Amino acid sequence: GQQLNQSPQSMFIQEGEDVSMNCTSSSIFNTWLWYKQDPGEGPVLLIALYKAGELTSNGRLTAQFGITRKDSFLNISASIPSDVGIYFCAGVEKGAQKLVFGQGTRLTINP
Amino acid sequence: GAGVSQSPSNKVTEKGKDVELRCDPISGHTALYWYRQSLGQGLEFLIYFQGNSAPDKSGLPSDRFSAERTGGSVSTLTIQRTQQEDSAVYLCASSLVAQEGSPLHFGNGTRLTVT
Repeated sequence: GQQLNQSPQSMFIQEGEDVSMNCTSSSIFNTWLWYKQDPGEGPVLLIALYKAGELTSNGRLTAQFGITRKDSFLNISASIPSDVGIYFCAGVEKGAQKLVFGQGTRLTINP
Repeated sequence: GAGVSQSPSNKVTEKGKDVELRCDPISGHTALYWYRQSLGQGLEFLIYFQGNSAPDKSGLPSDRFSAERTGGSVSTLTIQRTQQEDSAVYLCASSLVAQEGSPLHFGNGTRLTVT
């Protein structure tokens, strides 16, 4: 099935640093979503993007839907300890209903 | 309820036994999805329901896996004759409708361990 390539797989940063991660696909997607998963819990929706070129913020998080509709990025500014977790991109191909996920980016923050 | 509820939260079973995993979606959500997450991996789509019907079962790994949904609400994922490779976290999600872009809301999952 359709795979999303998410990078980087892991990040080790200092508190206060900015973070950037991205996701690419080989086909066109109509929706991009970014989720965060804490240990022992299900993923929680952070940002949803529905239009090519759309740039959306949620507090210190900013995500963009790529113009080509084949990529998306998520930025976190001024990271804090509670940002630790696994971040997943997810997308819906044009005409589909199921959400496909990237492999995740594990974020670790050194205080 | 306030969120998607899954039970049990943990299940340990012996190889060859059958298991049933339950999902209670958010009230009013017509679409329900099952995903599987192996250790350190992303989420693998298994099946989704719109109401009680399952338009897409393409992700079920084998005929040992089946799912049903009754009354447009609770869903059960059944794994027969479990194998060790079935060990994973099984996540359920629901959304208002099964339409492109309708955000999914996830439960906390059932961690299945097959010994």
